[in-house]
Amino acid sequence: EVQVLESGGGLVQPGGSLRLSCAASGFTYRSYSMNWVRQAPGRGLEWVSLISGDASTTYYAESVKGRFTISRDSSQNTVYLQMDSLRAEDTAVYYCVKAIMVPWHKGFDYWGQGTLVTVSS
Amino acid sequence: QSALTQPPSASGSPGQSVTISCTGTSSDVGGYNSVSWYQQHPGKAPKLMIYEVTKRPSGVPDRFSGSKSGNTASLTVSGLQAEDEADYYCSSYAGSNNLVFGGGTKLTVL
Repeated sequence: EVQVLESGGGLVQPGGSLRLSCAASGFTYRSYSMNWVRQAPGRGLEWVSLISGDASTTYYAESVKGRFTISRDSSQNTVYLQMDSLRAEDTAVYYCVKAIMVPWHKGFDYWGQGTLVTVSS
Repeated sequence: QSALTQPPSASGSPGQSVTISCTGTSSDVGGYNSVSWYQQHPGKAPKLMIYEVTKRPSGVPDRFSGSKSGNTASLTVSGLQAEDEADYYCSSYAGSNNLVFGGGTKLTVL
């Protein structure tokens, strides 16, 4: 059974940093890209970042480029999202999401339960 | 403002069919066969219902179908059931390693 579990959310002040973790299991980890998608309170979905199965490729939404860094540890089947220079508009539930196939943008078939990040003073 | 345009709401009675549209441009919806649809119940994570415009993941009822014409994609739910009441989001690849979502449609089963 595929499982995706995020952790690391919380309250942080503007300009601060936070690192999210995503533990995945139940599939051939290195064969699929992993993504982060966020949802601000009461708002729609926004794709944030991708990392390829072999970690050789990373992409970012313009809204987070230069501030967020995605990485993965294949030995622990874990994906990370390092978030620096956080802003109030980064407040959202962050979902860790598995791509259904290659290429990565065909669809996201497994979503974690989400972790809430609140940026406020 | 979302990159893809969806109607804020849609509704239908049990047993009826309803179609939700997702309008983009030739740079996203019209340019790639990478449209997906997601169902989200309140307080829950989204669930993939359609990928690659028309394909259904295992376990998704065949009452859900997807299509595309030009720059507009559509999700049709046939034989509406109470449990179909949820928010629905479309997404599309937009080139240049970017993916965009629609603003979401709240489906109400009357």
